[in-house]
Amino acid sequence: DAKTTQPNSMESNEEEPVHLPCNHSTISGTDYIHWYRQLPSQGPEYVIHGLTSNVNNRMASLAIAEDRKSSTLILHRATLRDAAVYYCILRDVESGGGADGLTFGKGTHLIIQP
Amino acid sequence: NAGVTQTPKFRILKIGQSMTLQCAQDMNHNYMYWYRQDPGMGLKLIYYSVGAGITDKGEVPNGYNVSRSTTEDFPLRLELAAPSQTSVYFCASKGLAYYNEQFFGPGTRLTVL
Repeated sequence: DAKTTQPNSMESNEEEPVHLPCNHSTISGTDYIHWYRQLPSQGPEYVIHGLTSNVNNRMASLAIAEDRKSSTLILHRATLRDAAVYYCILRDVESGGGADGLTFGKGTHLIIQP
Repeated sequence: NAGVTQTPKFRILKIGQSMTLQCAQDMNHNYMYWYRQDPGMGLKLIYYSVGAGITDKGEVPNGYNVSRSTTEDFPLRLELAAPSQTSVYFCASKGLAYYNEQFFGPGTRLTVL
């Protein structure tokens, strides 16, 4: 899977929007962009994924650059419960038929100030 | 649905001991995974399975064994525990479609002394 680069940590205030960046300059045409997060002392949980178009769900929005070399996870109104490590992961749908495991980097540690 | 369950939650082993970490899922998922997470790091894949009777190595398989006799269960066996295996172990499962998300269990914190 292609490599992603994320800031080690970011800080935001409660009830404000948060934009978490991810660079993936070597992304291939068959790579999906996935975001997972890991709350303290828990297993990771899925947040959102996309291929080319921007995506929205109940947890977050995913904005994908036109050249697909970067993406941004947007939390529209952060709460203290959003404090977690956020992982940006590329998955090649042609690799292993989707059975392959996820390749986790160190992610971005999001700190929310009350 | 209970989702993905793991037992035990915590365990302390002495060097050279063996143990089995249990993982079960009730979502009828074909794919199951074992990861380990060392402090301050992301998860690394140990083994995975695409269905009953089929397993394959991940990035860090040495020192571990797995089996998959049923769709629901995917135990991870540690033989001759070493301090380097001190870590948090997560089991996960996923449906067949390539875009399906992985569901993770709560983890087992293992210390080898």
